Amino acid sequence: QKEVEQNSGPLSVPEGAIASLNCTYSDRGSQSFFWYRQYSGKSPELIMSIYSNGDKEDGRFTAQLNKASQYVSLLIRDSQPSDSATYLCAVKVLVIQGAQKLVFGQGTRLTINP
Amino acid sequence: ETGVTQTPRHLVMGMTNKKSLKCEQHLGHNAMYWYKQSAKKPLELMFVYNFKEQTENNSVPSRFSPECPNSSHLFLHLHTLQPEDSALYLCASSQDRDSQGTQYFGPGTRLLVL
Repeated sequence: QKEVEQNSGPLSVPEGAIASLNCTYSDRGSQSFFWYRQYSGKSPELIMSIYSNGDKEDGRFTAQLNKASQYVSLLIRDSQPSDSATYLCAVKVLVIQGAQKLVFGQGTRLTINP
Repeated sequence: ETGVTQTPRHLVMGMTNKKSLKCEQHLGHNAMYWYKQSAKKPLELMFVYNFKEQTENNSVPSRFSPECPNSSHLFLHLHTLQPEDSALYLCASSQDRDSQGTQYFGPGTRLLVL
C-alpha cells in the first residue's frame, strides 16, 4: 500500500462548480497534512495546511481532515479556469529516531472547463 | 517564489559531464531538501539536511552528491548521470525537519541528460 494515495485523474469540473479532491494515507501517527498546487512546468506551491480534525477554510478553498478514516480532502468552490493544475497531497510521516519526512501522493490533475 | 531560488533553471548535460545545482533560501530556515520529480511519478525525496547535517539519504545513487555548507545554501553535484536521471530537481526548505512547519519549494532545475 502506498503511503499517500490520490486519484491521478484527470478530474474535469465545469467553471463555477465545486471541485473535490481526495487523499488517503496509511500512517495513523501522521499529524500534519498539506495541499500543494502545481502548474505545468512549475514548482509546487502551498495551498493549505491542516493539523486538526474537521474543516479549515481559506477563501474558496476548504481542507477537510478525518484522522479516524485517514483521509484528507480539498474542496475548491466557484472553480475557475485558473484552478486547472495538479494538486498534490502531502503527509508528514514519522521515520526512525523521531525524524519526520514529507511524503507526497502522485497528484490529481484538475481541469476546469469554461 | 523568491524565498527559495535555484540555479540553473535548465540544464542539458552529457553522461560524462560534471555539473552542480545550487539552491539558496532566504527564509531563515534550518532544513533543506532535494526532491526529484519525474513524469507521472510522485515527488521523490532524495536528501535532507537539518541544521547543516545530512539526516536522510533516500537510497540515492552515488552519482548524486549533496553539499550543505550552511543553512542557507544547498548544492547537488552531478557526475556520470544516466538518461533516466532526466527530471525536474526541486529544492525546498522548512523551519526545521521535525516541526509542523511547511516546506517551501524553489522553482526547480529542469535537467536533461543526453
